[in-house]
Amino acid sequence: DVKVTQSSRYLVKRTGEKVFLECVQDMDHENMFWYRQDPGLGLRLIYFSYDVKMKEKGDIPEGYSVSREKKERFSLILESASTNQTSMYLCASSLPGQGIYGYTFGSGTRLTVV
Amino acid sequence: RKEVEQDPGPFNVPEGATVAFNCTYSNSASQSFFWYRQDCRKEPKLLMSVYSSGNEDGRFTAQLNRASQYISLLIRDSKLSDSATYLCVVNNRGAAGNKLTFGGGTRVLVKP
Repeated sequence: DVKVTQSSRYLVKRTGEKVFLECVQDMDHENMFWYRQDPGLGLRLIYFSYDVKMKEKGDIPEGYSVSREKKERFSLILESASTNQTSMYLCASSLPGQGIYGYTFGSGTRLTVV
Repeated sequence: RKEVEQDPGPFNVPEGATVAFNCTYSNSASQSFFWYRQDCRKEPKLLMSVYSSGNEDGRFTAQLNRASQYISLLIRDSKLSDSATYLCVVNNRGAAGNKLTFGGGTRVLVKP
């Protein structure tokens, strides 16, 4: 069974901390994505990557960075966590050209910044 | 105006009844459309694609109206297990590849 695994289901961090959210996929997918989901706003794309060491800004990249050193792992970094980054974070992966058909989501990390 | 808009609901539906709801999108050049289902505190999962001619998958029917820029989802003979949030997803293909825009979701509660 194909899987996208997010390292933590629930996370509580303090304002100003540097936070790492990890995502690992075992499907040899080139494309990986980070979204955040907030009530009434749907999923919003933060960053995505179409290959190792490659990254592109999504719609809301401010306050975030990413790292893709290996094909299977895509990390989201909150440089200095703030309370407005409290959210559900979802990672997804797909093969190139498959678009949404190939999207597999991880089960999400619910981050609370206090 | 949001790129993809949905009525947040909740739609309270008696078991066995039919429920339908829409999703409007602002980009007339949008190329493909989908409905995702998301259970409480779970990840979204693809429910069905939406084709111009309309398509059906069991009790679920999806329609696309390009002229009015909306898609719809109809659920017949609702089951308790249909209770979920239904996300409308619009795909636009750009230079960097496919760009998905998600609606805020419509919550459906099926009650006995």
